[in-house]
Amino acid sequence: SAVISQKPSRDICQRGTSLTIQCQVDSQVTMMFWYRQQPGQSLTLIATANQGSEATYESGFVIDKFPISRPNLTFSTLTVSNMSPEDSSIYLCSVGPGHEQYFGPGTRLTVT
Amino acid sequence: EDQVTQSPEALRLQEGESSSLNCSYTVSGLRGLFWYRQDPGKGPEFLFTLYSAGEEKEKERLKATLTKKESFLHITAPKPEDSATYLCAVQTQGGSEKLVFGKGTKLTVNP
Repeated sequence: SAVISQKPSRDICQRGTSLTIQCQVDSQVTMMFWYRQQPGQSLTLIATANQGSEATYESGFVIDKFPISRPNLTFSTLTVSNMSPEDSSIYLCSVGPGHEQYFGPGTRLTVT
Repeated sequence: EDQVTQSPEALRLQEGESSSLNCSYTVSGLRGLFWYRQDPGKGPEFLFTLYSAGEEKEKERLKATLTKKESFLHITAPKPEDSATYLCAVQTQGGSEKLVFGKGTKLTVNP
């Protein structure tokens, strides 16, 4: 199984600002995924990030709000832009292969 | 639209009291059904993937089964350390690796 780390583990941000979350994997992976876990809600996929191509966003999520970078096979970033209190959530990265997806520890974001 | 419903939302058991968690799903075509365990403040921990009706997988006190409409996670003689939220997710046919999750069942095992 892959070992995944995320930075920061938590942050408190003011509305209107942006936060970049980093995801580092201990092995090379083709696909990385970014999920959001809001209180009382299901884990929801934001986008899929493949190295060397543009990220693919799910319905309801747009690149201007959640830009993603995937510079190599072990690293990705998710930026939450122009934040509002509704963005308060846990953000998790995940890696394949498809039949076994492993998750990082998450980044707990609070927007005030 | 693909949907996953887990029940109950919360379950309290006494240590040693066996029970089952339910995950019902509606998908256009099932590629795999995943079970995860999530402890507070941590990311989901992978437990099992099931692929076809009739398949069963076991890990320690946990046993997962799959039918064409639902999956069960059976917990035999649970211990307090089994307390966690258990998440179910489906992956559908069509090439996407996307997982669609249920809201989870919060299990508490009292000593």
